[in-house]
Amino acid sequence: EIVLTQSPATLSLSPGDRATLSCRASQTANSYFAWYQQKPGQAPRLLIYDTSTRATGVPDRFSGSGFGTDFTLTISSLEPEDFAIYYCQHRYNTITFGPGTRVDFK
Amino acid sequence: VQLVQSGPEVKTPGASVKVSCKTFGYTFSSYGINWVRQVPGLGLQWVGWVSAYSGDRNYAQSFQGRVSMTTDSTTKTAYMELRSLTSGDTAVYFCAGPLDRIDVGDNFYFNGVDVWGQGTSVTVSS
Repeated sequence: EIVLTQSPATLSLSPGDRATLSCRASQTANSYFAWYQQKPGQAPRLLIYDTSTRATGVPDRFSGSGFGTDFTLTISSLEPEDFAIYYCQHRYNTITFGPGTRVDFK
Repeated sequence: VQLVQSGPEVKTPGASVKVSCKTFGYTFSSYGINWVRQVPGLGLQWVGWVSAYSGDRNYAQSFQGRVSMTTDSTTKTAYMELRSLTSGDTAVYFCAGPLDRIDVGDNFYFNGVDVWGQGTSVTVSS
């Protein structure tokens, strides 16, 4: 079973900054990779699926990329509402989540 | 698309809990539903998936033998029952859908733009 590791655990940034969140798989993964955003007291929200496809209504400042064992979520310019926890997810033969990256205010 | 879950539960160790997830806004019987839990302050853990069209299920290994997932197409509702509860099962349980399972030979993947329910708090305490 694939194990997902996210880095960094916490990313301290300011509005307008570029955020690069990493998710590394313990073995070669295919493209069935997703990213979720979770705010305090809320359910997770799907941002990206199939590695790079934005879900409906997700702003284009969010983008996903990756191949093999390394996958990335990029937020091109942080908005105040983007400060949250982000989880990567692999959807092949089972569902596995990474431990999350917290994006907080610097 | 909207998923609405049942209310909070408090159970004693050894008991069972059944959480419901009523769906709106899509053809329930054409897809499946995922169940995920989150221990307070920690990350997300997949519990399993159930198909509303075939009855197929995929359960996470750590819950095998202790979880049952069902669906009712008449009421467009999915259910997750977890038995032999311990304090380690104290968590918020989420349903998410619609999510399809695509079989590719001996393998499969889950496909869909899933929306999540609001979560159901389950507390296990003596």
